[in-house]
Amino acid sequence: VQLVESGGGLVQPGGSLRLSCAASGFSLNGYWMSWVRQAPGKGLEWVANIKQDGSEKYYVDSVKGRFTISRDNAKNSLYLQMNSLRAEDTAVYWCARYSQPPYCFDNWGQGTLVTVSS
Amino acid sequence: QIVVTQEPSFSVSPGGTVTLTCGLSAGSVSTKHYPNWYQQTPGQAPRTLIYNTNTRSSGVPDRFSGSILGNKAALTITGAQADDESDYHCVLNVGSGIWVFGGGTKLTVL
Repeated sequence: VQLVESGGGLVQPGGSLRLSCAASGFSLNGYWMSWVRQAPGKGLEWVANIKQDGSEKYYVDSVKGRFTISRDNAKNSLYLQMNSLRAEDTAVYWCARYSQPPYCFDNWGQGTLVTVSS
Repeated sequence: QIVVTQEPSFSVSPGGTVTLTCGLSAGSVSTKHYPNWYQQTPGQAPRTLIYNTNTRSSGVPDRFSGSILGNKAALTITGAQADDESDYHCVLNVGSGIWVFGGGTKLTVL
C-alpha cells in the first residue's frame, strides 16, 4: 500500500489549492478515504472522509463549505479542493486509507505542507 | 463542541509501564467510539498502533495494548523502550461520520 500526496505549497489568504493523493498497491474503490491535517506544533485533526463511490462525504465543521473531498477511482486518486483558505489552515495534510469496519485509519501517506500566508 | 482530552505529556522509565488516556469533554468513552491510537515521531506520518479499542495493528509489539478504563480509552505500554519516546494520538468516532482527535500526549522515556 502506498499513498503519495502532492499539491501543497504557499498560498495567500483567500486563495485556493487542490491536493491530490495517488494510491497504489490496493484497489482504491474498495475503501473509504480520508484527509487528516496537523498544524505546526499541534495535534492531528481529522478533516474529511469519503465513501468508496463518493456518495457520502463528511467534514470537520471548520472546513465545511470551503473544502471538498472527491475521488477518481479510475485514476486511483483522492483529492481535496481547498477554497477560501485561512492562516489557520496552515498544516501538513495527509491522505489516509480508512477501513470501515474496523473503523481505522490504517495507512497514511507522507504528507504535503500547505502554508497560508501573505 | 466535542473535545477529546489527552494528557499533554507523560514520562516513564525504561522497562516501566505507562497508561495514557483518552477522554471526552462531556460523557464517557465506550467501544462504540471505536478508539484508535497512533504513534508519531517528529517529521513523520502517524503510525497505526491500536484500533477498535484493543486491536493491535499488524507488526505492533504486544507491549502496546488498548482498553477502556473507567470512562476513558487507554493505551498501556508495558516494558517501555527508548524508541517508544514519541507523540501518541487518540481519535474517537463521535457519530454522524465525524472523528475527533485528542491533542496528543508527548511521551518521554528516561
